[in-house]
Amino acid sequence: AQTVTQSQPEMSVQEAETVTLSCTYDTSESDYYLFWYKQPPSRQMILVIRQEAYKQQNATENRFSVNFQKAAKSFSLKISDSQLGDAAMYFCAYKSGGGADGLTFGKGTHLIIQP
Amino acid sequence: DTGVSQDPRHKITKRGQNVTFRCDPISEHNRLYWYRQTLGQGPEFLTYFQNEAQLEKSRLLSDRFSAERPKGSFSTLEIQRTEQGDSAMYLCASSFSEGFGYTFGSGTRLTVV
Repeated sequence: AQTVTQSQPEMSVQEAETVTLSCTYDTSESDYYLFWYKQPPSRQMILVIRQEAYKQQNATENRFSVNFQKAAKSFSLKISDSQLGDAAMYFCAYKSGGGADGLTFGKGTHLIIQP
Repeated sequence: DTGVSQDPRHKITKRGQNVTFRCDPISEHNRLYWYRQTLGQGPEFLTYFQNEAQLEKSRLLSDRFSAERPKGSFSTLEIQRTEQGDSAMYLCASSFSEGFGYTFGSGTRLTVV
């Protein structure tokens, strides 16, 4: 079974600074997808960024980028120019390619933005 | 399209009662997933539908849990004989393509008293 580990229960960053959230995963599969989701206090999960395992290029979405290290099974999220609205729980998630499994989530990292 | 809708937002029930939650996915999405999220944890996958076919249900937590998607549109999740341990947020998500991205609803918060 796949597992996703987020080793930072909580991170704090000053507004406008850069922060990196860590995620590692364990799988024996070669075809999979990785995601970062944001869950603000309103509780709705919002997709931040996604990465296909077969793509070597790291995904970027505006201020959000990932560092995907396939051999190390690492998938960290970098948030540049942090904003107060970035404060939320961030979940790393894994999805097998093919098959009927849903997403496997980590336990999350609580991101605090200091004004 | 206003996204994935879940109803009700909150449900308080007495232990032993049956509850049913509804999820309306984005209309173009043929894939529908149910998750459970307990406090301080990431969501836990429960079951998956592709159109009306339930392709994965082994992750449902017990035989008290069941889900349907009768016409490949909305879905329901039923919990029979609720227990206090069933108290959690139940999330629905939909997608039109594997790995593209999954849109989540706001969830139904269940409290069993």
